[in-house]
Amino acid sequence: DSGVTQTPKHLITATGQRVTLRCSPRSGDLSVYWYQQSLDQGLQFLIQYYNGEERAKGNILERFSAQQFPDLHSELNLSSLELGDSALYFCASGRGGRTGNTIYFGEGSWLTVV
Amino acid sequence: KNQVEQSPQSLIILEGKNCTLQCNYTVSPFSNLRWYKQDTGRGPVSLTIMTFSENTKSNGRYTATLDADTKQSSLHITASQLSDSASYICVVRPDQTGANNLFFGTGTRLTVIP
Repeated sequence: DSGVTQTPKHLITATGQRVTLRCSPRSGDLSVYWYQQSLDQGLQFLIQYYNGEERAKGNILERFSAQQFPDLHSELNLSSLELGDSALYFCASGRGGRTGNTIYFGEGSWLTVV
Repeated sequence: KNQVEQSPQSLIILEGKNCTLQCNYTVSPFSNLRWYKQDTGRGPVSLTIMTFSENTKSNGRYTATLDADTKQSSLHITASQLSDSASYICVVRPDQTGANNLFFGTGTRLTVIP
């Protein structure tokens, strides 16, 4: 158990809909990262938050947004969903800061868009 | 362009045999390199993390090597077990201030058969 909690574990929704994925980082971790992993694809970095503020942005679509709340949990909002958004979405957390920090992954949220 | 490439893409070995996975990167300047193990449908779990000055690091039956001059790393698995079947992901962190960017390889899918 990495200590990173993601909900829901599985989600099936229709095209055009909007979903929210939730992540609770490990106790004491200030950084939260979101990644997308499509079938047979590598992990694609979406966005990072550090202590409530956006720190880095990757290949995140404009239809997607995220935020980190004062209690450090984070939500990833996916809107106007398309079939191609079906993927495993991972949240990871870390201490933040600079070098040598291991990041710990949650078990992921499986999103299926039909 | 910062890249991380892994080989082979997939590998099948007999239980009890050894294997070596390769990771070549062009990320520069370089801070550290990590190997993660990802079971199917699960979150990646950190195996090792190596900094610029480290040449080798072991974690049980897993031994990672790093040649920072040639920008190559390998993960050697000895006496493989069925539970080693997973994807192994090489992750490189550049030496940058600010954003905690990581560059992910697409992984090597290892299958250990009895």
